Amino acid sequence: ILNVEQSPQSLHVQEGDSTNFTCSFPSSNFYALHWYRWETAKSPEALFVMTLNGDEKKKGRISATLNTKEGYSYLYIKGSQPGDSATYLCALRDNYGQNFVFGPGTRLSVLP
Amino acid sequence: EAGVAQSPRYKIIEKRQSVAFWCNPISGHATLYWYQQILGQGPKLLIQFQNNGVVDDSQLPKDRFSAERLKGVDSTLKIQPAKLEDSAVYLCASSFPPQGRNSPLHFGNGTRLTVT
Repeated sequence: ILNVEQSPQSLHVQEGDSTNFTCSFPSSNFYALHWYRWETAKSPEALFVMTLNGDEKKKGRISATLNTKEGYSYLYIKGSQPGDSATYLCALRDNYGQNFVFGPGTRLSVLP
Repeated sequence: EAGVAQSPRYKIIEKRQSVAFWCNPISGHATLYWYQQILGQGPKLLIQFQNNGVVDDSQLPKDRFSAERLKGVDSTLKIQPAKLEDSAVYLCASSFPPQGRNSPLHFGNGTRLTVT
């Protein structure tokens, strides 16, 4: 059974700060790692899907890396803005490609 | 494309009452998921459908929860009778078939259920 952890649980940063948070997992026995952003009163939105060790993905000011050998993924936000305030969820898709196991999320608050 | 539609957005009921949630996935998405997200925790899979067949319902409390997707399109999730610990956000999601295994999940806005 996959177990996904995320840290920190919550984070408060000032507008303009850069920040990062971690998704960790004990095994490389999975098919893909997904990052989602979930803003209050909206639906979770997919940010990245990563499958290979060493993968790096970027979308504007947000980027992510994947290290399957050591069991972690980092999400970076450069120059945080209040609109980045959301819960960031990490999920592992199992090797059968069917099920997703989510971490508890990191709640980010960007203060103006 | 239209997104995943869910209703209602909010529901408040008393314990032992019944409640039903509805989901219409993105057109063409064969796989449909129901997740339960309790405050402070990540979404937990309740049930996964592939077309109108159940792929995984191992974490569905079958004594009180039921779900169906009769025509392989929209789906309903029912709780009967509700308990206080069922208070959560219920998320519906859909995705392309397994052959598109890099496809992300597409979520609805969720239903926030409060059981008093």
